[in-house]
Amino acid sequence: EVQLVESGGGLVQPGGSLRLSCAASGFTFSQYWMTWVRQAPGKGLEWVGNIKVDGSETYHLDSLKDRFTISRDNAKNSLYLQMNSLRAEDTAVYYCARDLTYSDTYLRYFDSWGQGTVVTVSS
Amino acid sequence: DIQMTQSPSSLSASIGNRVTITCRASQSIGKYLNWFHQKPGKAPRLLIYATSNLQSGVPSRFTGSGSETEFTLTISSLQREDFGTYFCQQSYNSPPTFGQGTKVEVK
Repeated sequence: EVQLVESGGGLVQPGGSLRLSCAASGFTFSQYWMTWVRQAPGKGLEWVGNIKVDGSETYHLDSLKDRFTISRDNAKNSLYLQMNSLRAEDTAVYYCARDLTYSDTYLRYFDSWGQGTVVTVSS
Repeated sequence: DIQMTQSPSSLSASIGNRVTITCRASQSIGKYLNWFHQKPGKAPRLLIYATSNLQSGVPSRFTGSGSETEFTLTISSLQREDFGTYFCQQSYNSPPTFGQGTKVEVK
């Protein structure tokens, strides 16, 4: 059974940093792209970014790429999201998801999600 | 970025009713449209990918159709466990973008 467990969320002051982790199990982590999606309180879903199977390529939402960095450690079956210079508008539940991206097509979907970790940016 | 617009924003229906949710894209996205269901306090769950492909384990009462800019999610016979919010999402262009959601209440 695919399992994704996020951790690392919490309360942080504006301008601070957090590193979120996502522990994967139940599948061969190194064979899948992975994605982060966030959801502000009472709002919809926003894609944050993703990372290729071997970590050689990462893509981030343009508005976040100067502050957020996605990485992975396939030896540890783990995905990370480093968030710097946090702002109140970054307050959200952050989900990691398995990203089924098919090369040379536009077919792509997020088939398994973690339960999310809550990030609150406030003084 | 491609804008995704869902309608209605919310609906209320009785058990056994047929429910239809529409998702419109601001430009053509071919068939690259996915649907998710989210219950309060839970993670989204993939229902349908690439317009009409049912994800493993999803009941057959869920069907998807459409192409280019207009798509539909249909629940043929609403069940109590179908309450929650439904989101569409396009994968044609990066960044992947989601609709604002349709909240379904079971009467």
